[in-house]
Amino acid sequence: AQSVTQLDSQVPVFEEAPVELRCNYSSSVSVYLFWYVQYPNQGLQLLLKYLSGSTLVKGINGFEAEFNKSQTSFHLRKPSVHISDTAEYFCAVIDFNAGGTSYGKLTFGQGTILTVHP
Amino acid sequence: KAGVTQTPRYLIKTRGQQVTLSCSPISGHRSVSWYQQTPGQGLQFLFEYFSETQRNKGNFPGRFSGRQFSNSRSEMNVSTLELGDSALYLCASEPRPYYGYTFGSGTRLTVV
Repeated sequence: AQSVTQLDSQVPVFEEAPVELRCNYSSSVSVYLFWYVQYPNQGLQLLLKYLSGSTLVKGINGFEAEFNKSQTSFHLRKPSVHISDTAEYFCAVIDFNAGGTSYGKLTFGQGTILTVHP
Repeated sequence: KAGVTQTPRYLIKTRGQQVTLSCSPISGHRSVSWYQQTPGQGLQFLFEYFSETQRNKGNFPGRFSGRQFSNSRSEMNVSTLELGDSALYLCASEPRPYYGYTFGSGTRLTVV
């Protein structure tokens, strides 16, 4: 079964500093990868996704992520964070078997709470 | 454009009761999925529906069921509620496979 590991449960950072939120997934034939953000008392919002093509993916709010197949990683980065980026971030994966069939469901990591301090 | 609407937002039920949660996807979205979110287990997949057919089901007991109507609206039902069913239940929809889900704000269910 697919698994997703977010290596840091909490990441504190000062405003305007860069940040990296780490995500690793268990190996599979092929995967689609997503990052979502959840603000308090709200649902999840899609930040970005990797389906194929360029391994560097740009998303909303200045976030980007890099797909590294050899490392089975999909780390999320932002060069300069704002107070408003304080939220919980989830990495998620859909994997496919050798026949190209999707198991359909998103498997989520446990989340990383990003706290941006002034 | 309206987002994914979940009703009710909050619900308190007693052990042993049953509950029905409702989800209206974004207009034109035919795929609807449900997830349970708890502090201990995180986000866990419940069901996925497409054009009124359940295409995938997570590892939850048979007390958890769902359905999708011809207008793509979806409901999930939990019977014989247990304390451990207390959670935020999230519904999500997407216009086509792998486009990326849009989530609703969820229904927070508390079982007492």
